[in-house]
Amino acid sequence: KQEVTQIPAALSVPEGENLVLNCSFTDSAIYNLQWFRQDPGKGLTSLLLIQSSQREQTSGRLNASLDKSSGRSTLYIAASQPGDSATYLCAVSSSGYALNFGKGTSLLVTP
Amino acid sequence: NAGVTQTPKFQVLKTGQSMTLQCAQDMNHNSMYWYRQDPGMGLRLIYYSASEGTTDKGEVPNGYNVSRLNKREFSLRLESAAPSQTSVYFCASSEGPVSGANVLTFGAGSRLTVL
Repeated sequence: KQEVTQIPAALSVPEGENLVLNCSFTDSAIYNLQWFRQDPGKGLTSLLLIQSSQREQTSGRLNASLDKSSGRSTLYIAASQPGDSATYLCAVSSSGYALNFGKGTSLLVTP
Repeated sequence: NAGVTQTPKFQVLKTGQSMTLQCAQDMNHNSMYWYRQDPGMGLRLIYYSASEGTTDKGEVPNGYNVSRLNKREFSLRLESAAPSQTSVYFCASSEGPVSGANVLTFGAGSRLTVL
């Protein structure tokens, strides 16, 4: 069974810092890896999707990388802002319709 | 621009009661999903519907039933609620299988408490 782990569980940084969130998975036979954002009391919003054949994807201040062979992905957030405060979830697609989610990293960016 | 709409947003049940969570999407997506989110457990797939007329079990289907009423609507039913089903339930939809790089669009969630 695919296991997805996210480290750290929580992170607090001052505004303006660059930061990295980590995701690891146990089975490298994946189709893609996805990063989501969840605001308190809300649903999930898709941020980035990296296909298994890709090494990275970028969207604005976000950059996600994938090293399939080592079972790792990172989400890099540049010049963090208080509005980036949320929980960030990593999910791996190993079969047709199921995503295996990590437990998330709770990020707080302080002014 | 509604996306995925879930009702109700909050519900309190007594053990043994039944209820149905409703979900509708307006994006003409083929596939729909029900997840539950519990503290310390992450999101787990309950059931999914790859296309209209089909449903399949996910990781944690016990105690639940689903109906894909039409292309837009996918309901989740608890026939005899148990305290272990206290959770936040999310409906999601996608154009096709997630393995095909299709992104999930999530609803806002339904918080269910079973006493």
